Amino acid sequence: KAGVTQTPRYLIKTRGQQVTLSCSPISGHRSVSWYQQTPGQGLQFLFEYFSETQRNKGNFPGRFSGRQFSNSRSEMNVSTLELGDSALYLCASSSNTGGDEKLFFGSGTQLSVL
Amino acid sequence: SQQGEEDPQALSIQEGENATMNCSYKTSINNLQWYRQNSGRGLVHLILIRSNEREKHSGRLRVTLDTSKKSSSLLITASRAADTASYFCATEGYNTDKLIFGTGTRLQVFP
Repeated sequence: KAGVTQTPRYLIKTRGQQVTLSCSPISGHRSVSWYQQTPGQGLQFLFEYFSETQRNKGNFPGRFSGRQFSNSRSEMNVSTLELGDSALYLCASSSNTGGDEKLFFGSGTQLSVL
Repeated sequence: SQQGEEDPQALSIQEGENATMNCSYKTSINNLQWYRQNSGRGLVHLILIRSNEREKHSGRLRVTLDTSKKSSSLLITASRAADTASYFCATEGYNTDKLIFGTGTRLQVFP
């Protein structure tokens, strides 16, 4: 099986712009989670989608949003970018068959906001 | 806020030595997992231990869990230079499907 695929791998934006990141989960996985990783804050949970529904949400402002499509692919969007949004954004999928789920991560999208 | 705090933040050892890293968490959990991350890449799942288990082994990895102290440890025996990476614990709490990650331990293994 192919692994979790995130595109693009690197992205450079300027303050005030918006950005869309994409994640294709492992085939058959219905749950997709997003994390933000920065040197100062570590790995912070953004949100989780299951069967096109947002099931869990972290403590991020409304500028951060996401969605999941019927084929389980997911996108996250950040509007009105700020310098502090510079981070590695990681997507992870799981089969979510019930309990003790482990996450399979993509390589991430490195976002730099100038 | 982070669920887990890891200790030490950084660890440097020689090849062949054992590496031990610790994780403390705050609330009751269903399970605790350990992940590894090579620089700037995604995380890779290493091992999962359930809340009713006390110890688990996988190859050169040994994980212990003490729910009364809300803590876990990861032991890597006979370390290799290829073990150089950051290691994170992650907890799945009750009534939630999200994993909350700790702050991580950076392990450097010198040849």
